[in-house]
Amino acid sequence: GDSVTQMEGPVTLSEEAFLTINCTYTATGYPSLFWYVQYPGEGLQLLLKATKADDKGSNKGFEATYRKETTSFHLEKGSVQVSDSAVYFCALRMGGGGADGLTFGKGTHLIIQP
Amino acid sequence: NAGVTQTPKFRVLKTGQSMTLLCAQDMNHEYMYWYRQDPGMGLRLIHYSVGEGTTAKGEVPDGYNVSRLKKQNFLLGLESAAPSQTSVYFCASSYSIKARVLELYEQYFGPGTRLTVT
Repeated sequence: GDSVTQMEGPVTLSEEAFLTINCTYTATGYPSLFWYVQYPGEGLQLLLKATKADDKGSNKGFEATYRKETTSFHLEKGSVQVSDSAVYFCALRMGGGGADGLTFGKGTHLIIQP
Repeated sequence: NAGVTQTPKFRVLKTGQSMTLLCAQDMNHEYMYWYRQDPGMGLRLIHYSVGEGTTAKGEVPDGYNVSRLKKQNFLLGLESAAPSQTSVYFCASSYSIKARVLELYEQYFGPGTRLTVT
């Protein structure tokens, strides 16, 4: 079945450091890809998405590019802030008219130190 | 708009007790979902619904039942709680894929219910 693999955390960085969180996927077709963020005590919020190969999703300084050849969707940010501390989930959804939900990775806990 | 709301926020049950978690959305979404989140496991889909009166099983449906009597509400029931059901439960909703282009697909999540079964 479909699956998402992302780097396990926690990932600890200093403020203003460069961030990369790796995400790779396995799918039988061509999925849409998402990054969700979960701040402490809250639900998940969509951070960015990409629906086809070579698309780049971006939001709040975060970027991720849909790489079909490497089946990857790595999350990057050039200069992280303490407020970026959260758990980040990579997820995929297959196309078509079905409603069978998202397949999530296990999440990466990011800690930014001042 | 309140978005997606969940009731209750916290609950402690004894093994064998029953309870119902309520999810409500005010965005007129067709699709609704229940996930559970466990440490090191990410989110896993329990059940979902594509419309009023329709439900379907997800990845981990055993021990749970659901109902969608009204479009805006999606209920998750535990008939006989077990310690293995200790988890954080998230409800989500989205527009129908058929009604919207895939590029607009997004699931909106509630704040979660933390359930402990002792």
